[in-house]
Amino acid sequence: QSALTQPASVSGSPGQSITISCTGTSSDVGSYNLVSWYQQHPGKAPKLMIYEVSKRPSGVSNRFSGSKSGNTASLTISGLQAEDEADYYCCSYAGSSNVVFGGGTKLTVL
Amino acid sequence: QLQLQESGPGLVKPSETLSLTCTVSGGSISSSSYYWGWIRQPPGKGLEWIGSIYYSGSTYYNPSLKSRVTISVDTSKNQFSLKLSSVTAADTAVYYCARHVPDWFDPWGQGTLVTVSS
Repeated sequence: QSALTQPASVSGSPGQSITISCTGTSSDVGSYNLVSWYQQHPGKAPKLMIYEVSKRPSGVSNRFSGSKSGNTASLTISGLQAEDEADYYCCSYAGSSNVVFGGGTKLTVL
Repeated sequence: QLQLQESGPGLVKPSETLSLTCTVSGGSISSSSYYWGWIRQPPGKGLEWIGSIYYSGSTYYNPSLKSRVTISVDTSKNQFSLKLSSVTAADTAVYYCARHVPDWFDPWGQGTLVTVSS
């Protein structure tokens, strides 16, 4: 199984919206509505932000939203804030109890 | 609330076996519907799922690591463990444990850095 494809970096100004894409295949992202997203600040453990494509865990800001179309999932952050600057990773179920992560995207808040 | 904590040696010699334990507190590892997983992150790189285990002992491994990985569970201690054999410098990473549902991991342990070096 190959890693999901994410852009290496994205940036945006405070208050703007950004979208991070996560492209897989028909064997993972395209076959299951089981995509999750994680936020990781330097030196910290990843934090679950979105699960099952578009669901938010309790406590996660509604500025974070997820969607999927075909083999590509997306994470959108609206009303960008300085604290959103972090690395973001997508993850998909890939069948046969396998899981695959994306390569990660560094978000810079300008 | 549920908390996970990794423990084990921070330095392992090449060709030896890496061994880590994850202790779960604030909940039972025998809870149904959840798996318990290991994920690693080489310095400056992305996340890689290593494998997961159900409390009954059923295991699922990343195909790329399957030949070297063993994950086990000790329900009496509320712990699960990782063994990775024949390690090389490429196995140097921060190793995380986490509760695992089919597509998401939460919560995560704080992570532990394991360096492979002679």
